Amino acid sequence: EAGVTQSPTHLIKTRGQQATLRCSPISGHTSVYWYQQALGLGLQFLLWYDEGEERNRGNFPPRFSGRQFPNYSSELNVNALELEDSALYLCASSLDGGYSNQPQHFGDGTRLSIL
Amino acid sequence: GENVEQHPSTLSVQEGDSAVIKCTYSDSASNYFPWYKQELGKRPQLIIDIRSNVGEKKDQRIAVTLNKTAKHFSLHITETQPEDSAVYFCAASKGSGGSNYKLTFGKGTLLTVNP
Repeated sequence: EAGVTQSPTHLIKTRGQQATLRCSPISGHTSVYWYQQALGLGLQFLLWYDEGEERNRGNFPPRFSGRQFPNYSSELNVNALELEDSALYLCASSLDGGYSNQPQHFGDGTRLSIL
Repeated sequence: GENVEQHPSTLSVQEGDSAVIKCTYSDSASNYFPWYKQELGKRPQLIIDIRSNVGEKKDQRIAVTLNKTAKHFSLHITETQPEDSAVYFCAASKGSGGSNYKLTFGKGTLLTVNP
């Protein structure tokens, strides 16, 4: 069974640009979560998508947004990039998240570097 | 919202010794507590989890204990091996079906097992 896959592996952008990160969940998983992992700050919850809808978001500005497609894959979009956005962005998936605390399984992440 | 504190931030042990990592949480309604292991440059991997209706869970050399009254839970690794060296994250969530569902992580513990 394929795990959670993310693309691209690395992404280099400059300040003010826009970035799009992609995630494919484990087959059968309907919930997708996005996390930001910056140095020394652990994993910070960004967004949760389930059945195509945004269900919850963390304490991040509106320039962080995303969507979930009918096949349950997801995109994370970051607009007006700032230097502090440099981090590893991790995607996780689970069965019906939020309703029965299903385990989340992570992808390898996208390393976003802002120059 | 939920706050998860994790201690220690770094832990160094000799091969064969035991290691204990402790976490406290703030929301008494939290009912699911997973632990993740993240090796350098790799994805976080779920190693064990516990739900609030259980006080202890074991899986070979790994065990997790939960004290709901004190709102803390701990990871115990016995007979440590060099391959146990990694960053370990605890997390907490409450499965309620509501829009406030999210997994809140501690800041991580860097475990080094010296041969």
